[in-house]
Amino acid sequence: DVQLTQSPSFLSASVGDRVIITCRASQAINNYVAWYQQKPGQAPKLLIYAASTLHAGVPSRFGGSGSGTDFTLAIKNLQSEDFATYYCQHYFIYPWTFGQGTKVDIK
Amino acid sequence: QVHLQESGPGLVKPSETLSLSCTVSGGSLSRYYWTWVRRPPGKELEWLGYIFYSGGTNYDPSLRSRLTISIDTSKNQFSLTLTSLTAADTAVYYCARLHGLWNGSQTHYFMDVWGKGTTVTVSS
Repeated sequence: DVQLTQSPSFLSASVGDRVIITCRASQAINNYVAWYQQKPGQAPKLLIYAASTLHAGVPSRFGGSGSGTDFTLAIKNLQSEDFATYYCQHYFIYPWTFGQGTKVDIK
Repeated sequence: QVHLQESGPGLVKPSETLSLSCTVSGGSLSRYYWTWVRRPPGKELEWLGYIFYSGGTNYDPSLRSRLTISIDTSKNQFSLTLTSLTAADTAVYYCARLHGLWNGSQTHYFMDVWGKGTTVTVSS
């Protein structure tokens, strides 16, 4: 199975900050990566697919990049509604797997 | 707007079978894949498998012997059946719409509409 390792696992930030979350795959997975945001008690919400394509309706302060084994999710000008847990997920081969998550908390 | 709602038992005994349904409203099952994801307590999300509206399936290999995903287009529902349950199957189970997007050279899959999730506890 492809293992996805996110870093950091926990991040404290303030409104207005720029944060970067990285996701490293245990083997090359081209650009077959999606990013999801999840808040407590809610379902995950799609942010990005194909490593860098912003899903419709997602604010432009979110951005994704990467290919091969290293991927990043960047959030510019962090807003209060962005405090959540973020997961990367690959769909390169079966089984599809998720990273362990990065919790973004208020500093 | 498409809306998904999971339904099923909240408590199941070890060794028994879990059956969950996902009812899709506001849209048709046609042209999409439909998938199940779970989140065990304190762990990351786990993809379980998907079904295409015409019936083709793909499962996590580690669950293939215990998992069946089926679809009933007449009811606008798809379902999950998981046999031989253990405590490790305790989780919040989510159903989701899986979009397969062909861009001319690649197919990209993403889960763009999710149900709210249903908690399943496996315990005697």
